Amino acid sequence: GENVEQHPSTLSVQEGDSAVIKCTYSDSASNYFPWYKQELGKRPQLIIDIRSNVGEKKDQRIAVTLNKTAKHFSLHITETQPEDSAVYFCAAAYNTNAGKSTFGDGTTLTVKP
Amino acid sequence: DAGVIQSPRHEVTEMGQEVTLRCKPISGHNSLFWYRQTMMRGLELLIYFNNNVPIDDSGMPEDRFSAKMPNASFSTLKIQPSEPRDSAVYFCASRTPMGKTQYFGPGTRLLVL
Repeated sequence: GENVEQHPSTLSVQEGDSAVIKCTYSDSASNYFPWYKQELGKRPQLIIDIRSNVGEKKDQRIAVTLNKTAKHFSLHITETQPEDSAVYFCAAAYNTNAGKSTFGDGTTLTVKP
Repeated sequence: DAGVIQSPRHEVTEMGQEVTLRCKPISGHNSLFWYRQTMMRGLELLIYFNNNVPIDDSGMPEDRFSAKMPNASFSTLKIQPSEPRDSAVYFCASRTPMGKTQYFGPGTRLLVL
């Protein structure tokens, strides 16, 4: 089955700096890669996703890049703000209606004011 | 749309008691997922259904856990008998037939004493 590894497990940055979280996956059949943000005590919520026919996607201060050959994808957050502090999960999924997502172990991001 | 609804939001029970967690997916979504989240093990997929049929229950930890989806708008996760190590946050998520994004419910915080 699919295996997703996420690094780092914790990340601390100064407000205004950039943050990068990286994930690798094992199954070349995976072609959908969402990122979820989970604030303390809240549910995971989708913040951005990318499909395998796209190499990069941006949404304001966040972007995701995908390298299908190397089987890794990354989340980039620019101009970080204290409200970006949360746990971020990456996931990989198959392109089928019955497919499940395999989640990484999460990265705890702390943005220091 | 009310989103994914879970009940109860909090449950405190004693070891050996039966626990039933409930989930109502978003109307029109045909895939439903049950997750368990702990500090030690992160976010684990327990089981998922597609069109009310269990597709993959390989994540169910043991026979004490069972899940049902009698119709498109309701699912239960039952633990019988419960043990202290079952204490966790249990999330339900649902997804549209053609979509990839999973929408999470608010979770049920279970504490087994």
